[in-house]
Amino acid sequence: RKEVEQDPGPFNVPEGATVAFNCTYSNSASQSFFWYRQDCRKEPKLLMSVYSSGNEDGRFTAQLNRASQYISLLIRDSKLSDSATYLCVVPPNSGGYQKVTFGIGTKLQVIP
Amino acid sequence: NAGVTQTPKFRVLKTGQSMTLLCAQDMNHEYMYWYRQDPGMGLRLIHYSVGEGTTAKGEVPDGYNVSRLKKQNFLLGLESAAPSQTSVYFCASSFRQALSSYEQYFGPGTRLTVT
Repeated sequence: RKEVEQDPGPFNVPEGATVAFNCTYSNSASQSFFWYRQDCRKEPKLLMSVYSSGNEDGRFTAQLNRASQYISLLIRDSKLSDSATYLCVVPPNSGGYQKVTFGIGTKLQVIP
Repeated sequence: NAGVTQTPKFRVLKTGQSMTLLCAQDMNHEYMYWYRQDPGMGLRLIHYSVGEGTTAKGEVPDGYNVSRLKKQNFLLGLESAAPSQTSVYFCASSFRQALSSYEQYFGPGTRLTVT
């Protein structure tokens, strides 16, 4: 299994909808996770850090399912401005905080 | 604060030419990274540095060299460019402390085309 796997999408959702996408990971010992957002032709920007079972920030909720080894990002009341690619990051098996592995990203398109 | 800056923003090279990409950060971060991003491949780590004067190889280091002579700067060099190095290059930086190193700040990227 790859260290981090994501469905590339695209996920096309209407404005106002709730959407969720997952990121599976291979390191069963991981306890922290990170979501980045990348707009088209721009740099990735940190969206959320998850250091325990989950995190919530406004319309965004990140949840962890340890048994199935995946993390999810839930976006409620989708806005057109949420259209972007969402990358997940999970610390690698070998430790080595310097070596970050990014998922391929899931593309979200919010439609008017 | 400017955060992380990269120069140049765009560049076209011919096969065999050399160039250096410059990354600068003003956040006093210990760690710095160079990534490339290709369609369908996601971000891949080229080289990284955990402090001034130290560098290490990442996932795809071949064809690239780096130097970190000053804490705030991280240079990426291509000695003999190849078409396979056509990509978008991102620099990033982070603090040293444990999990904070995963909270990275990225520069705006350099779009490089090698013909």
